[in-house]
Amino acid sequence: RKEVEQDPGPFNVPEGATVAFNCTYSNSASQSFFWYRQDCRKEPKLLMSVYSSGNEDGRFTAQLNRASQYISLLIRDSKLSDSATYLCVVRDPRRIQKLVFGTGTRLLVSP
Amino acid sequence: EAGVTQSPTHLIKTRGQQATLRCSPISGHTSVYWYQQALGLGLQFLLWYDEGEERNRGNFPPRFSGRQFPNYSSELNVNALELEDSALYLCASSFRGGGLEQYFGPGTRLTVT
Repeated sequence: RKEVEQDPGPFNVPEGATVAFNCTYSNSASQSFFWYRQDCRKEPKLLMSVYSSGNEDGRFTAQLNRASQYISLLIRDSKLSDSATYLCVVRDPRRIQKLVFGTGTRLLVSP
Repeated sequence: EAGVTQSPTHLIKTRGQQATLRCSPISGHTSVYWYQQALGLGLQFLLWYDEGEERNRGNFPPRFSGRQFPNYSSELNVNALELEDSALYLCASSFRGGGLEQYFGPGTRLTVT
């Protein structure tokens, strides 16, 4: 089983739609979680950290479900500029400097 | 404030040659990480340097090596290049000791022919 698994998509949504991605992780001892955004042929950029209580940043909401070992990202009122690949990232609990990346979920927002 | 910088942007080498990739972290960051992103695969952790020393490495052969300089910039060396080494190599930096948030540079695209 992969350490971090994501649905590769693509998710095709119209502008203004709400879209949600899930990500599952295998190591129940994991403590830190992140969502990164990666545009085509560019570097990943930190979108948000995911806290136990969940957190919201504008149109983006991240949730953590420890019991089921999944993380979610909700994007409301999708914009064309949200089109990108969203990477779920989990910190390795045995080596805190190591980030384990999912292969990403591709989002395409159309007019 | 300048972000993480990497050079060169693109590098083309032939099989068996050596490649050297460079990275400058964000000012104030002392940890540098190297990742490999091969086509269709997720980012794979390569190496972590902190305070001038290699602190940890991922599941890569010894021909992947590097170093960190006193100014915290870093170099990744790949010896005896193989075709499957073709990938985007990303450098990230953070505050000391494997800080929570890592910030990435634009990457070096290495092509091995």
